[in-house]
Amino acid sequence: DAMVIQNPRYQVTQFGKPVTLSCSQTLNHNVMYWYQQKSSQAPKLLFHYYDKDFNNEADTPDNFQSRRPNTSFCFLDIRSPGLGDAAMYLCATSLTRAYNEQFFGPGTRLTVL
Amino acid sequence: KNEVEQSPQNLTAQEGEFITINCSYSVGISALHWLQQHPGGGIVSLFMLSSGKKKHGRLIATINIQEKHSSLHITASHPRDSAVYICAVRSLADKLIFGTGTRLQVFP
Repeated sequence: DAMVIQNPRYQVTQFGKPVTLSCSQTLNHNVMYWYQQKSSQAPKLLFHYYDKDFNNEADTPDNFQSRRPNTSFCFLDIRSPGLGDAAMYLCATSLTRAYNEQFFGPGTRLTVL
Repeated sequence: KNEVEQSPQNLTAQEGEFITINCSYSVGISALHWLQQHPGGGIVSLFMLSSGKKKHGRLIATINIQEKHSSLHITASHPRDSAVYICAVRSLADKLIFGTGTRLQVFP
């Protein structure tokens, strides 16, 4: 039944050590989003893919990259995690961008030591 | 001032009480979402609406487009309803703008 799957659910990395978070979906949706949510804050959109078209938010640091090798999978790469990157990372999908419900995954909680 | 404001920020209730969470927004929207997030958990979409009222089980969501206001009601609240409830609007530029959430605790 799982529709948006994120792996791992919990990730611990060291300061400066690259880390990759994974998201997959069984909905065949065109759009996949990555959000960063810090404690007690609203989610913040990092970027999204519309099919293979990558859309970066203006204030997303260069340290964050993304790949979408096919419709089902999308990856978030953090090249050199800092202590400030510790957060919950949420993946979401929607059929299209306009007037469509977003379906969220369970999130990956990243800890940076 | 945030584009999406929720009230109250924190809410405590006894089991069985009727609960209302309010959301006001200041931008043009194509849709409004109510989301639920349990502590340490991911986000679950409860409703997406652009007019009128929707009901799902004990949850009811209403929206008044003219007044730019939406409410989420929970009837016969239960401890398992304890979560953060987030109002998010889809702007006319297709961006999802989140409110800061309402933390609800329901005690037995």
